[in-house]
Amino acid sequence: ETGVTQTPRHLVMGMTNKKSLKCEQHLGHNAMYWYKQSAKKPLELMFVYSLEERVENNSVPSRFSPECPNSSHLFLHLHTLQPEDSALYLCASSQGGSGTEAFFGQGTRLTVV
Amino acid sequence: GQSLEQPSEVTAVEGAIVQINCTYQTSGFYGLSWYQQHDGGAPTFLSYNALDGLEETGRFSSFLSRSDSYGYLLLQELQMKDSASYFCAVRGGTASKLTFGTGTRLQVTL
Repeated sequence: ETGVTQTPRHLVMGMTNKKSLKCEQHLGHNAMYWYKQSAKKPLELMFVYSLEERVENNSVPSRFSPECPNSSHLFLHLHTLQPEDSALYLCASSQGGSGTEAFFGQGTRLTVV
Repeated sequence: GQSLEQPSEVTAVEGAIVQINCTYQTSGFYGLSWYQQHDGGAPTFLSYNALDGLEETGRFSSFLSRSDSYGYLLLQELQMKDSASYFCAVRGGTASKLTFGTGTRLQVTL
């Protein structure tokens, strides 16, 4: 257990569905991240929230919509995804934007059909 | 933006020493870190360098040269359980931005 919990662990959704990924951290951190990990590709930074404000958006398509209601919770809302969006979505947290160590959740394995 | 380069694969025998190199480009630099990821698992933190030099943590050491935009992870006394992917990551641009390299798959053999 890393102190970062992601749900669900696995998700299969159709291209017309709307779903949300949830991340919760119990570490008292104030920065949270969404990463996408596809086969044979590096971890791609999607969004960064620091003190509940979005500080990074790495040109992510609008069909991905993040939400950070408080410093412990982070959501990724999914809408009209494409098959190429199938990947492992990882949430991470750190203490402050310059925290030396990021703690990752176990990820959500997303399959878009 | 940020970019990092690492070898894609490395193979070594049990008990040996292996070095995984990482070169990076970033506008603004706060530190270089290393993560380990086993198949099916989440990345876990190994080490962090903000200043030049060597940081040692048990069998693992990490080195940084900021003038060369270069670092490496040194794994000693390799064990089978060390077979995993290893990522370097740079905190740069803004302190909040943690960008990962392409990952190096380490295979430890008997």
